[in-house]
Amino acid sequence: GQNIDQPTEMTATEGAIVQINCTYQTSGFNGLFWYQQHAGEAPTFLSYNVLDGLEEKGRFSSFLSRSKGYSYLLLKELQMKDSASYLCAVSGSNYQLIWGAGTKLIIKP
Amino acid sequence: DSGVTQTPKHLITATGQRVTLRCSPRSGDLSVYWYQQSLDQGLQFLIQYYNGEERAKGNILERFSAQQFPDLHSELNLSSLELGDSALYFCASSASPGESYTFGSGTRLTVV
Repeated sequence: GQNIDQPTEMTATEGAIVQINCTYQTSGFNGLFWYQQHAGEAPTFLSYNVLDGLEEKGRFSSFLSRSKGYSYLLLKELQMKDSASYLCAVSGSNYQLIWGAGTKLIIKP
Repeated sequence: DSGVTQTPKHLITATGQRVTLRCSPRSGDLSVYWYQQSLDQGLQFLIQYYNGEERAKGNILERFSAQQFPDLHSELNLSSLELGDSALYFCASSASPGESYTFGSGTRLTVV
């Protein structure tokens, strides 16, 4: 079957660094997406990885290892506004997005 | 503004009723997706359309139906509503399957 796993909840301190992991098992792979979703709002696109390695975009970076079925989202210099859910989604063999349940990130002052 | 327009933003209706949710995709996007998100739950994929044709179905109940029109806007019809149907319903669009999705702001449905 197809499966995406992420931690349910993480807590971090303002100004610190946090890494949110995502492991996946899918039939086929055409890329991995990270989205941010604030409570009650729409998910917004953060990053896309299709090749192995690290993609950096400001305070956010995303890493992919296709051989390990593994990705992480790294958030640096955490701000209170980063409190949100972070969704990992994989584009499978038919280009359908398979979504993880999301990781709720709580930032404490 | 993401470019994906959903109406209405809020809807309160009684059990047993029928409602229609509307979505206009971002300009140029041919794929439209519908998702249901209950409180503190993940996104549940309902259905996808591509250029007017149904492309994929997820966990969509038989009481729910959708279509995409020639102008590419889409409607999600929910009938015989139950209390458990109360949720946020998101529409998303993409230029083609596999590309990043742009989500609308959602319709919050409350069934009382």
